[in-house]
Amino acid sequence: DAKTTQPNSMESNEEEPVHLPCNHSTISGTDYIHWYRQLPSQGPEYVIHGLTSNVNNRMASLAIAEDRKSSTLILHRATLRDAAVYYCILRDWGNTPLVFGKGTRLSVIA
Amino acid sequence: DADVTQTPRNRITKTGKRIMLECSQTKGHDRMYWYRQDPGLGLRLIYYSFDVKDINKGEISDGYSVSRQAQAKFSLSLESAIPNQTALYFCATSDFNPRDRDSLLADTQYFGPGTRLTVL
Repeated sequence: DAKTTQPNSMESNEEEPVHLPCNHSTISGTDYIHWYRQLPSQGPEYVIHGLTSNVNNRMASLAIAEDRKSSTLILHRATLRDAAVYYCILRDWGNTPLVFGKGTRLSVIA
Repeated sequence: DADVTQTPRNRITKTGKRIMLECSQTKGHDRMYWYRQDPGLGLRLIYYSFDVKDINKGEISDGYSVSRQAQAKFSLSLESAIPNQTALYFCATSDFNPRDRDSLLADTQYFGPGTRLTVL
């Protein structure tokens, strides 16, 4: 699987937007970009995924660069419950398991 | 969300003992996975199963074995536990359906609550 690079940690103030970056310069044409997050003492949970176009759902937005070599997960208004480790994962359509890196630990300050 | 349960939730055992961790799901998903997580690290894949008759090794399968007893059940065994197998173990399922384009492309994974295993 192609590799991703994320900052080890980020901080945000509560109620403010958060932009979590992910670099994936070796992404292939069939790789989808998936984001999962892991809240403290829980298993990971799905956040969002996309291929080329920007995507929105009730949890977050995913902005994908035109060359697809980077992407940004956007939390529009961070809450304390958004404090978690966020994983950016590249994955070929549906035929391979997820491969997790170390992710970005997001701290939200009240 | 998928109802993925893991038993036990916590287990302390001794070196050399055989241990089985069990995973059950009620969502009817074909695909199931076992991961381990060590402190400060991401998840690493141990084994995965795309259906009842399909078992595949993951990144770190040495020292582990699995059994897919039914669509709903996927067990992980440590034949002879050693201290460096102390970790948090997660089971997951996914809703891959080749007849549903959205699930085929997303193949969203749903994780259980984890089993904390300590090998002394």
